[in-house]
This record gives sequence, structure tokens and C-alpha cells, in this order.
Amino acid sequence: DARVTQTPRHKVTEMGQEVTMRCQPILGHNTVFWYRQTMMQGLELLAYFRNRAPLDDSGMPKDRFSAEMPDATLATLKIQPSEPRDSAVYFCASGLVPEGQAGATGELFFGEGSRLTVL
Amino acid sequence: RKEVEQDPGPFNVPEGATVAFNCTYSNSASQSFFWYRQDCRKEPKLLMSVYSSGNEDGRFTAQLNRASQYISLLIRDSKLSDSATYLCVVSFQDRGSTLGRLYFGRGTQLTVWP
Repeated sequence: DARVTQTPRHKVTEMGQEVTMRCQPILGHNTVFWYRQTMMQGLELLAYFRNRAPLDDSGMPKDRFSAEMPDATLATLKIQPSEPRDSAVYFCASGLVPEGQAGATGELFFGEGSRLTVL
Repeated sequence: RKEVEQDPGPFNVPEGATVAFNCTYSNSASQSFFWYRQDCRKEPKLLMSVYSSGNEDGRFTAQLNRASQYISLLIRDSKLSDSATYLCVVSFQDRGSTLGRLYFGRGTQLTVWP
């Protein structure tokens, strides 16, 4: 079964350290999303890529977060420096939107998530 | 105000019961609607899309009321395996954008007991 793969599954780090999370989307999917989930806020969209181009990162704290897609098989989310309030589960998801369709995405396939704890 | 609002629950029901969840959304230009299911400490997975005419998938029925801007999910003959968090998801294009964004509700927790 094709699936979205995320690493690491768990990460414990100290405040101020850099954290990099990686995601391998499903082959052939042209959209990639990064979400953050906490008990208080639920799922929050951080960044959105289409055909590797960053299209929307308005939900991401710009001063410390960055998201990239160096190639079609890898998306990264970096936090530098990390803070305790960044503790959450970070999900990567991919989907396929037909070319020429500008509207809403259809089904998203989520990875198992990266559980981050910043002490 | 959040784009998608759900009653967080929890809903605790016995096996065989019928349970309904509602969800409201704020943007009247919303285009697509979905229910996702998330098991404890797992990732969300698509349960079903919601169509304007309403749709059914086995024991699950989804309804959309555009005039009142709410979506519902009905589960009949609940099973123990239905215990999960149900996420309401709405998609619309931001003003001035050609892109669609998915907005997730915080989820409604369901526990089905024997």
C-alpha cells in the first residue's frame, strides 16, 4: 500500500535546538501539506505545496519555522530555534489535485505524524 | 471565530445505538465537505465526502445544509470499532486566491461501550 512516510516518529529536544522533520509523500501526488495538532487548537495548517512550489504558509510562524520541498519525494519542516510551545504532533499529508482544478483538494493521505516534545 | 466548529463531546453510547454529530462552518462560499476519522494516537483518515444531496455509506449517513451552513454525520447500529474522533472538514478558496484550503474542526470524540 502506498503511504506517506514521516520521520522521526518521536523527538524530544531542548529549547533552542533545531528540529527537522521529514516527509515522503505518496508517489504521484502533487500536493503536500504540513499540519500541527495540539489538544487546544486541533489541526492547524502550517504549509501547503503544489507541484513542489510553496503556495501557502500563512499559518506558519515565519521567524522560526521553514518548509521546503527539495524534490518530489521529500518535504521538510524545520524549527529553529525550537520552543516548548512548539510541542505537538506534526502531520504531513499528500493528495492529488487534477491539473487545472484550482479549487479544493480531495482526499488527503496523512503520515503517522512526528510527535515533538520541546523541554 | 474558527472556520469550522464542532461539539467536542465526548459522546458515550452503547453498542447498537444511533448517534449524530453536527458541525457548522463560517464561510458560505465553502465548496467541499468531508468527515475524517482519527483513532487515538493515529493519523486522520477520510471517512466520507459529503454531497449536497446527502449520501450514505453503510451505517454512515452524511448530510449538508448549505442554507444553515452545517454538516451532520449519523452513525446507525454503533460498533465498538466506531470509537474514535470524528473530524469535520471544509474546503473553500480564500478571497483573492485560486487555491483551496482544507479547514479541520477540532473533532468530536465518540466512545461506544459494550
